[in-house]
Amino acid sequence: EAGVAQSPRYKIIEKRQSVAFWCNPISGHATLYWYQQILGQGPKLLIQFQNNGVVDDSQLPKDRFSAERLKGVDSTLKIQPAKLEDSAVYLCASSDGQAFYEQYFGPGTRLTVT
Amino acid sequence: QKEVEQNSGPLSVPEGAIASLNCTYSDRGSQSFFWYRQYSGKSPELIMFIYSNGDKEDGRFTAQLNKASQYVSLLIRDSQPSDSATYLCAVKGNTPLVFGKGTRLSVIA
Repeated sequence: EAGVAQSPRYKIIEKRQSVAFWCNPISGHATLYWYQQILGQGPKLLIQFQNNGVVDDSQLPKDRFSAERLKGVDSTLKIQPAKLEDSAVYLCASSDGQAFYEQYFGPGTRLTVT
Repeated sequence: QKEVEQNSGPLSVPEGAIASLNCTYSDRGSQSFFWYRQYSGKSPELIMFIYSNGDKEDGRFTAQLNKASQYVSLLIRDSQPSDSATYLCAVKGNTPLVFGKGTRLSVIA
């Protein structure tokens, strides 16, 4: 079974630029999560989708971050405009239910904002 | 702000010893508790989850939960150099899953 796929793996941009990350979950997994992990900290949940609906986006900075999951499969997370403090690893995870113990993480995208 | 606190370490233990990792949380309404292992440069992977007070054992790992003290711990018996990683505690209540900053464990051969 293929795991969670993410791209790109690395991205370097200047502040005020835009960037987008892509995630393809494990086949059949209805729930998709985006996390932000700043160096030295634990992951922080940004948004949770159930199929193509949003379950929780309370920690998503909506003035600059947006996410969508069209057709309930793959998902895109966008940052516009980026700030220096957005430098982090962005992790995508998926599960076939809403139980967090079932979630599988992708390899992550490391974003550096200069 | 719901908080999950962990000692950042590093915690160094000799090979074959028991490693004890601790975590406290602020939200008394928390219901589910998770331990993840994260190797450097890799994604987190789930080791254990626990919902009820007491101990839960899985192989060399034991999770312990004390809701009255708002405390959860992970014991690793017969520690191996391959256990060297950062261990993340995560807590779920009626809010999004909250992770601690993690404890870095180093098992010395």
